[in-house]
Amino acid sequence: RKEVEQDPGPFNVPEGATVAFNCTYSNSASQSFFWYRQDCRKEPKLLMSVYSSGNEDGRFTAQLNRASQYISLLIRDSKLSDSATYLCVVIPISSGSARQLTFGSGTQLTVLP
Amino acid sequence: SAVISQKPSRDICQRGTSLTIQCQVDSQVTMMFWYRQQPGQSLTLIATANQGSEATYESGFVIDKFPISRPNLTFSTLTVSNMSPEDSSIYLCSVVFGETQYFGPGTRLLVL
Repeated sequence: RKEVEQDPGPFNVPEGATVAFNCTYSNSASQSFFWYRQDCRKEPKLLMSVYSSGNEDGRFTAQLNRASQYISLLIRDSKLSDSATYLCVVIPISSGSARQLTFGSGTQLTVLP
Repeated sequence: SAVISQKPSRDICQRGTSLTIQCQVDSQVTMMFWYRQQPGQSLTLIATANQGSEATYESGFVIDKFPISRPNLTFSTLTVSNMSPEDSSIYLCSVVFGETQYFGPGTRLLVL
């Protein structure tokens, strides 16, 4: 089983739609969680951290369910510019000073006009 | 935030040759990493580049194949040695600055 699993999509949604992605992780000792966004032929960029209590940033809402070991990303009122690949990132409890990001394979989103 | 540049941005190489990728950061950072992203795949950590000591390699990656230098807190190189077509990938430099991990623009490598 992969350490971090995502539905690869693609998700094709119309502008203005609400879309949600889930990501499951296998290491119950995972400590930190993030969503990164990667545009085509570009490097990943941090979209938002995921906190235990859930957090919202404008149209984006991230939630963590430790019991079921999954995190989610909800995008409301989708824009064309939201089209990208969304990467789920998990960090286990670190040993030493290493920061071991574990990436999901990404979920591809295309927002259609 | 940290601004990261990589050189070259892309290259096409013959099998059996080696390529050195440079990573420059605009701030001093303690932690620098090298990742690989193969076509259609997610990112895989190759190694952590340690300043003043040998790099720490992840399972499946060895120093002879991917030698790394880290002469100071703003610069690192990754060499892909004795290349084969399986090494065709995007190689990304990454740093932790503050609490956030940033990525360079990547080096697209095609090995023929």
